[in-house]
Amino acid sequence: DSGVTQTPKHLITATGQRVTLRCSPRSGDLSVYWYQQSLDQGLQFLIQYYNGEERAKGNILERFSAQQFPDLHSELNLSSLELGDSALYFCASSVGDSQNYEQYFGPGTRLTVT
Amino acid sequence: SQQGEEDPQALSIQEGENATMNCSYKTSINNLQWYRQNSGRGLVHLILIRSNEREKHSGRLRVTLDTSKKSSSLLITASRAADTASYFCATARMDSSYKLIFGSGTRLLVRP
Repeated sequence: DSGVTQTPKHLITATGQRVTLRCSPRSGDLSVYWYQQSLDQGLQFLIQYYNGEERAKGNILERFSAQQFPDLHSELNLSSLELGDSALYFCASSVGDSQNYEQYFGPGTRLTVT
Repeated sequence: SQQGEEDPQALSIQEGENATMNCSYKTSINNLQWYRQNSGRGLVHLILIRSNEREKHSGRLRVTLDTSKKSSSLLITASRAADTASYFCATARMDSSYKLIFGSGTRLLVRP
């Protein structure tokens, strides 16, 4: 158990809908990262927050947005969902804000868009 | 595009044998990290090796880094069935302070 929690574990929704994925980092970690893992794209970095502020952006679509709240939990919002958005979404956390820290991954949310 | 590329894509060995996975990357890095992922689960951090280090050990794991060749290797000695997983290298590029770039992974099968 990494100490990172993600909810829900599974999510099935229809195209065009909007969903929110939630992540609670390990106690003491200030950084939260979001990743998307699919069979064809592999593990793609989406976005990082550190202590409430956006730190880095990756291949995140405009239909996706995220935020980190004062209690450090984070939410990833996915809207106007398409079939291609079906994937595993992972949240990870680390104590620092740079790439020099190991990241602890949550168990993931499996999103299925039908 | 992905920074790290693992080789081989898949590896099947007998329990007790050693497993070697390689990672090549394109740009200068601050560090390189190896992660393991059991099927459909979250990634687990294994080792972080900094650009000024050449070798690191952790239990049955040995990681080497050759910055001149822009490559790293992960050696698992005396493999066990429980080592069956996908292994990813992740690079921390010098031109990007915050994010890690993950490779496509090596799928390791250890046969009992």
